[in-house]
Amino acid sequence: GNSVTQMEGPVTLSEEAFLTINCTYTATGYPSLFWYVQYPGEGLQLLLKATKADDKGSNKGFEATYRKETTSFHLEKGSVQVSDSAVYFCALSNNNDMRFGAGTRLTVKP
Amino acid sequence: EPEVTQTPSHQVTQMGQEVILRCVPISNHLYFYWYRQILGQKVEFLVSFYNNEISEKSEIFDDQFSVERPDGSNFTLKIRSTKLEDSAMYFCASSYSFYSGNTIYFGEGSWLTVV
Repeated sequence: GNSVTQMEGPVTLSEEAFLTINCTYTATGYPSLFWYVQYPGEGLQLLLKATKADDKGSNKGFEATYRKETTSFHLEKGSVQVSDSAVYFCALSNNNDMRFGAGTRLTVKP
Repeated sequence: EPEVTQTPSHQVTQMGQEVILRCVPISNHLYFYWYRQILGQKVEFLVSFYNNEISEKSEIFDDQFSVERPDGSNFTLKIRSTKLEDSAMYFCASSYSFYSGNTIYFGEGSWLTVV
């Protein structure tokens, strides 16, 4: 079946630090991969996506590359800001089924 | 930018009461979904809806839940007799198609507290 595993949080970083949140998936066929972000008190927002192997999704300085050989879609940002503090969810869409990871809480301190 | 809107943003209800959560999906979208997130836990799929009928539902979506598209713009989730464990954030979502690469757009959620 389809499933997503992402690194457990919480993650606490200082401003301008490098961020990596790991995400791996299990799926048959050719899923699409997403990162959603949930800011405090708000709903889920699409951050970026990639629909085929080797695609790189990017938005707001965040990037993730769809790696079929390692079944991964790790989220990275070179220099985080306090405003990036949120919960990040990796998600997979495959055969009309969408699955979310458990979420990783990121706190960025000034 | 078009968005999915949900009302109410927060509702407190007594156990056993009926609750209706309302959603207005993006206007040209054809597929509608409800997800829920119990505090601190992962986002869970409840149901998807297309062409005025349920396409898929999870084991969470039992007989106390129902969905309806009463007119051309609203999409509702009804919980017939709420239980304490129904306390969660409920997210409505919509998409243009079921193509796996198609983005699902989420509303900001309705926070339900059952007391």
